[in-house]
Amino acid sequence: QKEVEQDPGPLSVPEGAIVSLNCTYSNSAFQYFMWYRQYSRKGPELLMYTYSSGNKEDGRFTAQVDKSSKYISLFIRDSQPSDSATYLCAMQDNAGKSTFGDGTTLTVKP
Amino acid sequence: DGGITQSPKYLFRKEGQNVTLSCEQNLNHDAMYWYRQDPGQGLRLIYYSQIVNDFQKGDIAEGYSVSREKKESFPLTVTSAQKNPTAFYLCASRHPQETLAEAFFGQGTRLTVV
Repeated sequence: QKEVEQDPGPLSVPEGAIVSLNCTYSNSAFQYFMWYRQYSRKGPELLMYTYSSGNKEDGRFTAQVDKSSKYISLFIRDSQPSDSATYLCAMQDNAGKSTFGDGTTLTVKP
Repeated sequence: DGGITQSPKYLFRKEGQNVTLSCEQNLNHDAMYWYRQDPGQGLRLIYYSQIVNDFQKGDIAEGYSVSREKKESFPLTVTSAQKNPTAFYLCASRHPQETLAEAFFGQGTRLTVV
């Protein structure tokens, strides 16, 4: 069983939709939770990170962590075609080692 | 501009050949990483280095080798022992001393065995 499981997708939504991207994990040593965005043929870029249960908001993006359920989500409001990318969740332990999900490819259609 | 540079962007290799992928950073980061990404899959850690002249195997090190002679450089050699080398390779760096430090990624090298 993988330490990090990510909803596989792909997802295709109309412009303006609310998008929910989800990951579960099994390793209780994970303390930090990150979302990376990767455009086609490019390296990933850090989008958001958090370390506590609850919600963290940044513009149209909200990262949600539920440590008791070992579940994290990324919500995108008012999705735009420019949001079309692969989104990777990543979890980091106190030693600094990161484990990535397999990614969810999102397409936002105009 | 600070960042990580990977070269070449595309690389073709004949079966049985060794090839070396370049990764250079000017961010003054101590830690550097090599990941492999296959279609529809996440990043899998090949090797990482926390400091110059030291490196450790990641989850899929077989068939790969690295060196860390300089802080700025962390080249990856894909050897003929790697049975399925066709993939997208990503190099990253970060400050290991920070509890949560953003990993900065290069733009990747796409390796194809012909």
